[in-house]
Amino acid sequence: DVKVTQSSRYLVKRTGEKVFLECVQDMDHENMFWYRQDPGLGLRLIYFSYDVKMKEKGDIPEGYSVSREKKERFSLILESASTNQTSMYLCASREGGRGNQPQHFGDGTRLSIL
Amino acid sequence: KNQVEQSPQSLIILEGKNCTLQCNYTVSPFSNLRWYKQDTGRGPVSLTIMTFSENTKSNGRYTATLDADTKQSSLHITASQLSDSASYICVVSWSTGRRALTFGSGTRLQVQP
Repeated sequence: DVKVTQSSRYLVKRTGEKVFLECVQDMDHENMFWYRQDPGLGLRLIYFSYDVKMKEKGDIPEGYSVSREKKERFSLILESASTNQTSMYLCASREGGRGNQPQHFGDGTRLSIL
Repeated sequence: KNQVEQSPQSLIILEGKNCTLQCNYTVSPFSNLRWYKQDTGRGPVSLTIMTFSENTKSNGRYTATLDADTKQSSLHITASQLSDSASYICVVSWSTGRRALTFGSGTRLQVQP
């Protein structure tokens, strides 16, 4: 089974801090994604990566950046955390190509910015 | 604009009863539609995928339907169990672009004993 592991289940940070969320997948998937999930809004794509060192902006990239130095690891960075970035963050991976493969999700990081 | 709307937002049913969740979309050009189940505190897990040529697909007690003409899908749960309590998310893919997915906001199902 595919396993996507997010480094923290819960995280509390202060406004203005630089925050790192880590995600690791064990199935050699080319594609990796970062979403945030807020009540009533569903999942919204922040950034995704289709190869090492490659990244593309999603629908809500403002205030975030990402890093993918190794194929299995995809990091989300909050450059200067703000209270409106309090949310559930989900990482996902998927096989390469544009076929019908599902995304495999981690269990999320619930981030609170005080 | 590509959109996916799910109804109802939330639903409470008694254990053993059936229920149907709805998903309407305006995504074009359509590629496929997938239903995910998300247990509380966990990430979404894929239940089933529907492509353009498929009308019905079953996965145990879950049956998904697709009407590509009206751009509607449904997820029917038969003989519900307490473990079916979760959010169900409809995700539609379109045919162009690397990140061509649109997520619905989900239906929260609660099965009571």
